[in-house]
Amino acid sequence: DAKTTQPPSMDCAEGRAANLPCNHSTISGNEYVYWYRQIHSQGPQYIIHGLKNNETNEMASLIITEDRKSSTLILPHATLRDTAVYYCIVRGSQGGSEKLVFGKGTKLTVNP
Amino acid sequence: DTGVSQDPRHKITKRGQNVTFRCDPISEHNRLYWYRQTLGQGPEFLTYFQNEAQLEKSRLLSDRFSAERPKGSFSTLEIQRTEQGDSAMYLCASSLGRVSHQPQHFGDGTRLSIL
Repeated sequence: DAKTTQPPSMDCAEGRAANLPCNHSTISGNEYVYWYRQIHSQGPQYIIHGLKNNETNEMASLIITEDRKSSTLILPHATLRDTAVYYCIVRGSQGGSEKLVFGKGTKLTVNP
Repeated sequence: DTGVSQDPRHKITKRGQNVTFRCDPISEHNRLYWYRQTLGQGPEFLTYFQNEAQLEKSRLLSDRFSAERPKGSFSTLEIQRTEQGDSAMYLCASSLGRVSHQPQHFGDGTRLSIL
């Protein structure tokens, strides 16, 4: 089972910031938080990942709470092309399974 | 394009036939993964290779499924005696395994339809 909880759907206006929450209350010390998105009929696209510090790249920012039990993916200026299913995944970095366990994700719809 | 490449993109076959899919990972990625995705669900892990060694297999990988990565580069996934329930998108991903938390990068999958 997935170790994360996400809202099933969210809406955002084009040009506004999209803030996608994720709860991972059972995360352990060596587990990273990964975000992927999937546009219909394509494979999942890697967005960003982090351990405990906030991270930013050209696609998004990842804010992880100090207790690491939740995180937020921020798309600063959402466009129509950001409409997709967004997956938050927790995975360890040392030993254990290499697999990514996907939940149902959040369906983000960006409206014009 | 230097991403993960999968072939074919679509495969339609009759129940009982054998099918084989190919995955070419990103160059220099030594880890390769197979996932399966059915309609409305997230991808589910099938198996994982580090170089040519198959190190992890899911219980989803029945004895009709076999995956190989003979030279540590491309990989093939074969399904024998296909069944209706095998209809799904089969996704391949690769990662650079030298640093364990490096992300997996996915291809666009092979969509299998069983008639």
